[in-house]
Amino acid sequence: VQLVESGGALVQPGGSLRLSCAASGFSYNDYWMSWVRQAPGKGLEWVARMNQDGTKKYYVDSVKGRFTISRDNGQNSLFLQMNSLRVDDTAVYFCVRDCSTSGCSNWGQGTLVTVSS
Amino acid sequence: DVVMTQSPLSLSVTLGQPASISCRSSQSLLESDGNTYLNWFQQRPGQSPRRLIYMVSNRDPGVPDRFSGSGSGTDFTLKISRVEAEDVGVYYCMQARQWTFGQGTKVEIK
Repeated sequence: VQLVESGGALVQPGGSLRLSCAASGFSYNDYWMSWVRQAPGKGLEWVARMNQDGTKKYYVDSVKGRFTISRDNGQNSLFLQMNSLRVDDTAVYFCVRDCSTSGCSNWGQGTLVTVSS
Repeated sequence: DVVMTQSPLSLSVTLGQPASISCRSSQSLLESDGNTYLNWFQQRPGQSPRRLIYMVSNRDPGVPDRFSGSGSGTDFTLKISRVEAEDVGVYYCMQARQWTFGQGTKVEIK
């Protein structure tokens, strides 16, 4: 199993960014997928998750209306569209597969988003 | 929303000695399906998190048996029977229905 994030960058407050996650090594279509972030020197914070066919999407309150999670099952990819970025969105963003069975938990290496003027 | 509270937030342990981390939730994590979705993660310095325990007490593949999870309802514990140098890092509990993490407990070697 491999999850590879990309798209992190330095962006100004109010700007936008789209993160991508390329998944391989498992049947991507069968799993919920999530984004989790970690601000520098801080703990883990779940950001968003979605079900297999994209009909269910959930967000942490702090990103509702600004971030959109999506997926392309044909390309085994997960995305996070981030708009109206704020300084406190600065973090490493991890793509995560996690389900309640043995061995069903995988994290990417993370991609750094820095929001600063 | 469920709030997860870990204690202690920092732990200094002698090699070979046991360690214990507590995680308390603001409401019961027992679901209507009879399961309790409480996971434990380890994050070594400079690495991505790795799940150790799922559904309270089930070890993931490759996790040494010195790690064990227990608890029910609102009180949960991660125990390391004999701390090794490779166990240094931050440990997080997570309730896996709403995906809420505890603050993390930093484990270091004394």
